[in-house]
Amino acid sequence: GDSVTQMEGPVTLSEEAFLTINCTYTATGYPSLFWYVQYPGEGLQLLLKATKADDKGSNKGFEATYRKETTSFHLEKGSVQVSDSAVYFCALTNTGNQFYFGTGTSLTVIP
Amino acid sequence: EAGVAQSPRYKIIEKRQSVAFWCNPISGHATLYWYQQILGQGPKLLIQFQNNGVVDDSQLPKDRFSAERLKGVDSTLKIQPAKLEDSAVYLCASSLDRGTSGTQYFGPGTRLLVL
Repeated sequence: GDSVTQMEGPVTLSEEAFLTINCTYTATGYPSLFWYVQYPGEGLQLLLKATKADDKGSNKGFEATYRKETTSFHLEKGSVQVSDSAVYFCALTNTGNQFYFGTGTSLTVIP
Repeated sequence: EAGVAQSPRYKIIEKRQSVAFWCNPISGHATLYWYQQILGQGPKLLIQFQNNGVVDDSQLPKDRFSAERLKGVDSTLKIQPAKLEDSAVYLCASSLDRGTSGTQYFGPGTRLLVL
């Protein structure tokens, strides 16, 4: 069945460091891919998405490119800030009926 | 614009008791989702409604879980009887429409502890 595997955390980085959180997926066809973020004490919110191969989603300095050849959707940011500390979830849907989330990666950015 | 509302925020019950959670989606959102998030795991979709009809409930343990969205707006999720393994955060989300690119808006969740 469809599934998402994301890199385990927790991840701790210094401010202004480069961030990569790996996400790979297993799915038939051409799923849509998402990154959701959960800030401390808040609900999940969509960070970015890509709906077809080679699409790049971007928001708030974060980027992720839909790579069908490697079945990946890695999240990157060039310079993290303390305010980026949160839990990040990779997710996919194939038909819009079922959505599959990864286990989440906790990021802590220290000043 | 008001977000997705859920209540209660916390609930503690004993096993074999019943419990119900309520969700009010964003006004005008036709699609509503209930997720279960066990500690250390990602959210698992239990059921998806389009208006008041069920789109997918393949992951809903129907022997003990039920959900309804009678008027196509508010929704309730019920567990009867609860088991220890039902301890989790129950998330409600809504989106303007179905589909593979629709953005889901999540509520704050209801944290359930079954003793």
